[in-house]
Amino acid sequence: GAGVSQSPRYKVAKRGQDVALRCDPISGHVSLFWYQQALGQGPEFLTYFQNEAQLDKSGLPSDRFFAERPEGSVSTLKIQRTQQEDSAVYLCASSADRNTEAFFGQGTRLTVV
Amino acid sequence: AQSVSQHNHHVILSEAASLELGCNYSYGGTVNLFWYVQYPGQHLQLLLKYFSGDPLVKGIKGFEAEFIKSKFSFNLRKPSVQWSDTAEYFCAVNAGNAGNMLTFGGGTRLMVKP
Repeated sequence: GAGVSQSPRYKVAKRGQDVALRCDPISGHVSLFWYQQALGQGPEFLTYFQNEAQLDKSGLPSDRFFAERPEGSVSTLKIQRTQQEDSAVYLCASSADRNTEAFFGQGTRLTVV
Repeated sequence: AQSVSQHNHHVILSEAASLELGCNYSYGGTVNLFWYVQYPGQHLQLLLKYFSGDPLVKGIKGFEAEFIKSKFSFNLRKPSVQWSDTAEYFCAVNAGNAGNMLTFGGGTRLMVKP
């Protein structure tokens, strides 16, 4: 595809439910990032992959958050036992390598009720 | 850890007015600096970036930004705004040794009145 694609665009989850958010990066992009954007705030870093290797997961807020990129392309962010404070827009970005522009997807808006 | 501050949360301007959005960061080492824009209902898009060289950077749509290392600032400017510039603007920093993970400011919501 032409850009970074995320699905679903919107997700409503009941508290305690598990969710999985998908990111299709730009083909051939080595680096992949997940960010969390709470309402009225800037995006905050969650985790970073270089190919299939998760090199940094320091931003994941709790052990309920898990990300994977098993074949170095598509990535999934999983949130277990969702809580209301998990409500946010989850952004995925990819870049060709370390020092090039990151391209963002449109995000998945997660609402936990 | 680095942090980024955008002091103006909301800015309202009339068309043709000049724009300057402030951005300050805290990090003592080498940094790469970015401004992203998010138009209503759209994804984040890169306006401009600074990696090295001339500290005055020109981006798309007539925007420019100046890196002032002594002030830890990277302010965004446009001489004459248009209604279509209504959007949210984010300053971001990538510390030189942090992969290219970005640290974002809180954003500035710009409204341009026709």
